[in-house]
Amino acid sequence: GAGVSQSPRYKVTKRGQDVALRCDPISGHVSLYWYRQALGQGPEFLTYFNYEAQQDKSGLPNDRFSAERPEGSISTLTIQRTEQRDSAMYRCASSPQGGLGNTIYFGEGSWLTVV
Amino acid sequence: LAKTTQPISMDSYEGQEVNITCSHNNIATNDYITWYQQFPSQGPRFIIQGYKTKVTNEVASLFIPADRKSSTLSLPRVSLSDTAVYYCLVGEKGGGFKTIFGAGTRLFVKA
Repeated sequence: GAGVSQSPRYKVTKRGQDVALRCDPISGHVSLYWYRQALGQGPEFLTYFNYEAQQDKSGLPNDRFSAERPEGSISTLTIQRTEQRDSAMYRCASSPQGGLGNTIYFGEGSWLTVV
Repeated sequence: LAKTTQPISMDSYEGQEVNITCSHNNIATNDYITWYQQFPSQGPRFIIQGYKTKVTNEVASLFIPADRKSSTLSLPRVSLSDTAVYYCLVGEKGGGFKTIFGAGTRLFVKA
């Protein structure tokens, strides 16, 4: 597609439920990133993929969070047993090559509210 | 990864030039400096990137002194629509995986 596409744009879920957030990166982009952004804060790194390989997941806050990119394109961020503190904007980004030096393109994000 | 330090916020008026300085004392030889802009409810957007001296594009200029321990983003003649958060990032070109955003600088442009 023309840009990074994320779905759903808005998700309200009850505490304890699992949620899956989808990211469709720009076609051909090798690298894919997931960030979490709270109101008034900068994006917080969660995890990074190079093709299908998850090369850095050090930012995932705990084992309830996981991500996959099985075919090196679309990625899913899954949060199990959601808690209210998981409420945030989750942003996906992609770039044509790995690393900071190549421009990272962000999607519009998925707003998650856990009630 | 080199840590960056930026002012938390800045105010300006329409038509003025705005300079935002970022400190990155531990920048490595292979690190590039990249600036992003973020409007409310949107994702960060690439503005400019440089390694040394000066880089200019249609949006901004980036000044990097010889020691590369700081950089200055210069926005010429700002308008109200330039009100946003500006992030300075440092990392290897094509090599860094964990791209870290700090808190950024909130620029308020007044009429």
